Amino acid sequence: NAGVMQNPRHLVRRRGQEARLRCSPMKGHSHVYWYRQLPEEGLKFMVYLQKENIIDESGMPKERFSAEFPKEGPSILRIQQVVRGDSAAYFCASSPPGSPREQFFGPGTRLTVL
Amino acid sequence: AQRVTQPEKLLSVFKGAPVELKCNYSYSGSPELFWYVQYSRQRLQLLLRHISRESIKGFTADLNKGETSFHLKKPFAQEEDSAMYYCALRGGATNKLIFGTGTLLAVQP
Repeated sequence: NAGVMQNPRHLVRRRGQEARLRCSPMKGHSHVYWYRQLPEEGLKFMVYLQKENIIDESGMPKERFSAEFPKEGPSILRIQQVVRGDSAAYFCASSPPGSPREQFFGPGTRLTVL
Repeated sequence: AQRVTQPEKLLSVFKGAPVELKCNYSYSGSPELFWYVQYSRQRLQLLLRHISRESIKGFTADLNKGETSFHLKKPFAQEEDSAMYYCALRGGATNKLIFGTGTLLAVQP
């Protein structure tokens, strides 16, 4: 089991462009979580998804950010019209169905907005 | 409000010295508390959780509900313990984790 995969590992965008971050959960995992880490801060929860459903998006900014976890393929975190303040490390985690549900983290995508 | 506080950004100790990484939390219900560790160039991984009451790599952590603390302790630090340590809380039905800002542990030879 290769673990949670994220790509790209580094992403550079200019202000106004779109950023797409991908997360492939571990085999057998049906729950995906996205966290953001701004410089000098801890990880902050953004969104929790199961296949084709958003369970909790309480940490997502109201505008420009969206997430999906389709029936087939990776989970995608999409940021439209990026601004400098979006520069951060974005981590994805996955967990299997059932309880307790330990979250396994990916290596993160470091987004830099120029 | 749900919050996790790690007051120390950096903790530097000598090899063989005791280590205590502080973590305090704020949560109105019955939380689950975790310690995650990130070694250099590696991904974040679970170190231990309070419900397991286990010792991993010599580390232990006891949940003190009266003081709302979950400090991480090890009696004798090793150089390979040098890493970033995050305390986290899970509360509510959605399984989301609330992290502290982390403490960098540096163990000097």
